[in-house]
Formats: sequence, structure tokens, C-alpha cells
Amino acid sequence: DVKVTQSSRYLVKRTGEKVFLECVQDMDHENMFWYRQDPGLGLRLIYFSYDVKMKEKGDIPEGYSVSREKKERFSLILESASTNQTSMYLCASIWGAQGNEQFFGPGTRLTVL
Amino acid sequence: AQSVTQPDIHITVSEGASLELRCNYSYGATPYLFWYVQSPGQGLQLLLKYFSGDTLVQGIKGFEAEFKRSQSSFNLRKPSVHWSDAAEYFCAVGVYDMRFGAGTRLTVKP
Repeated sequence: DVKVTQSSRYLVKRTGEKVFLECVQDMDHENMFWYRQDPGLGLRLIYFSYDVKMKEKGDIPEGYSVSREKKERFSLILESASTNQTSMYLCASIWGAQGNEQFFGPGTRLTVL
Repeated sequence: AQSVTQPDIHITVSEGASLELRCNYSYGATPYLFWYVQSPGQGLQLLLKYFSGDTLVQGIKGFEAEFKRSQSSFNLRKPSVHWSDAAEYFCAVGVYDMRFGAGTRLTVKP
């Protein structure tokens, strides 16, 4: 089975801190994604990556950056956390393209105080 | 730009009753359409997907969905709901970078 893991299930940070959210997949998928999930808004795409060192902005990239140094790992970085970034963050990976199934991690619930 | 609308934020049905969750999409070409389910405290699980061919697709857990191009819809159905179906359901569209709807929360009454 494909496994997508995220470094933390729950995280509490203070405003202004630099925050790293890590995602690792074990199935050699080329493509990886970061979403945030908020009640009433569903999942919104922050960034995605289709190869090592490649990245593309999604719909809400402001305040975030990403890093993909290795194929299996995709990191989301909050350079200076703000309270409006309190959310559930979901990582996903997918093999190839053409509408294949995305496999999701369990999510990281981030609270910024 | 691709987008998805799920008009119903919350639906309550009785156990054993039929279910239909609505999804409307906007996409410039032939869409790839998906339904995912998220149970409380769980990750998202794929229920079914549509790429082409037969417009009625079968998924896991007894769910099915029908693609209607003329209505830009991809509604999810189940003939008889079980208490374990209580969850949040997301419709998604896209070929590579998917877009999700806001979700429909399903409550099942005993």
C-alpha cells in the first residue's frame, strides 16, 4: 500500500515563528501536493511539485514556500507563521498524471497562537 | 479555471434511506472527476473516479456516481445509507492539479 506520512499530527507555534511541515511518501511518486483544509472551504491547493527541485504555485501560495530536495520528501514552510495560517494541512502524492488517484497523508493540525 | 461546487453543506438522512450528494464542476476540457470521503479523524479515501466511457461509475462501499456533461454535474448516490457512511464527502476535478469542492457533511439518523 502507498503510504504518505506527515511529521506531526498536531503542532502549536507562535506568531512569527518559522514552521516546517514534512511529508514523505514511500511509493516513488513523482508528484506531490500540499493543501490546507478549512471548514466550509474544503481543500485548497497551496503548492505542488512534479519532480525534484521543481515546484508550482497553487491557488493560495502567499505566506508559504516549499522544498523538494529528494523525490520522496516534500516540505511546506511557513516563513513567518500568522494566526490566519491556523489550519489542517494535508499532503498528497500521485503517480504520473492524467487524473490518477491522489494518496493523502493523515494531516497536520497547526495552531498558530 | 477549474472549480467545483458542492451546493449542500450538510445533509441528514435516515439509515436505510437513499442518498444523493450534488457536485457541479467547471472545467475547460474533458474532466477527470473524483469523489473522496473523509471520516472523522481520518485521511481522505477515494470512493470513485470518472475519466471517460460509461457515465455511471461504481465505487467502493456501494457508492455510484453519474457524469452528466450537459449539466456539468457528477452526483454521488447510494441506494441505502448505513450509519458508518457518516462522514464528509468531497468532489474534485482535475487532470494533474486537482481542485476540491467545499465538502458535504453527511449525518445519518438511526
